[in-house]
Amino acid sequence: DAEITQSPRHKITETGRQVTLACHQTWNHNNMFWYRQDLGHGLRLIHYSYGVHDTNKGEVSDGYSVSRSNTEDLPLTLESAASSQTSVYFCASSGGLAGGRETQYFGPGTRLLVL
Amino acid sequence: QKEVEQNSGPLSVPEGAIASLNCTYSDRVSQSFFWYRQYSGKSPELIMSIYSNGDKEDGRFTAQLNKASQYVSLLIRDSQPSDSATYLCAVRLTQAGTALIFGKGTTLSVSS
Repeated sequence: DAEITQSPRHKITETGRQVTLACHQTWNHNNMFWYRQDLGHGLRLIHYSYGVHDTNKGEVSDGYSVSRSNTEDLPLTLESAASSQTSVYFCASSGGLAGGRETQYFGPGTRLLVL
Repeated sequence: QKEVEQNSGPLSVPEGAIASLNCTYSDRVSQSFFWYRQYSGKSPELIMSIYSNGDKEDGRFTAQLNKASQYVSLLIRDSQPSDSATYLCAVRLTQAGTALIFGKGTTLSVSS
């Protein structure tokens, strides 16, 4: 079955370290997204991509970067981890349909703790 | 600022009752509307989508959309303890390809 996976599922790191969170989907979806979820803020969009070599900034992109070298993967990099980036990170993907009615599917999430 | 607003709850209903979850959005060009359910420690899963004014029913769930009032709601009939979760309202602003904007979610608790 097609799916979307994230790794690692849990990560503890130190302030200032570079961290990369992986996201892999087997639906062959063009659209991929990264969100973070924090108490009191809900899901907030970090970066998104509509295809290979396309990346766009979301609402809370500062301190994060992404690159899209193939259809299946959209890794999220924290350039220099900060305690404010402690959060649960969700990757999502969707296929393109006319009228914007495509369903967005979420990965299982990565819990990141920055000490 | 494009916003999606939900009452954070918790909304508490007894088993068998109707749970009513509400959502308002600020951007009039919004085209597509979604309700996701999220259990504690899990990822969001889609339960309903609606694109036109009126009601859309799927089993025990009914989504209602009123674009003039910029209002979308979710009714859960015959609520079960397994419906206890956080319900996220999400809006897509343009016709295709854009990310979703989420509300902060409403926590529903169904007591047996």
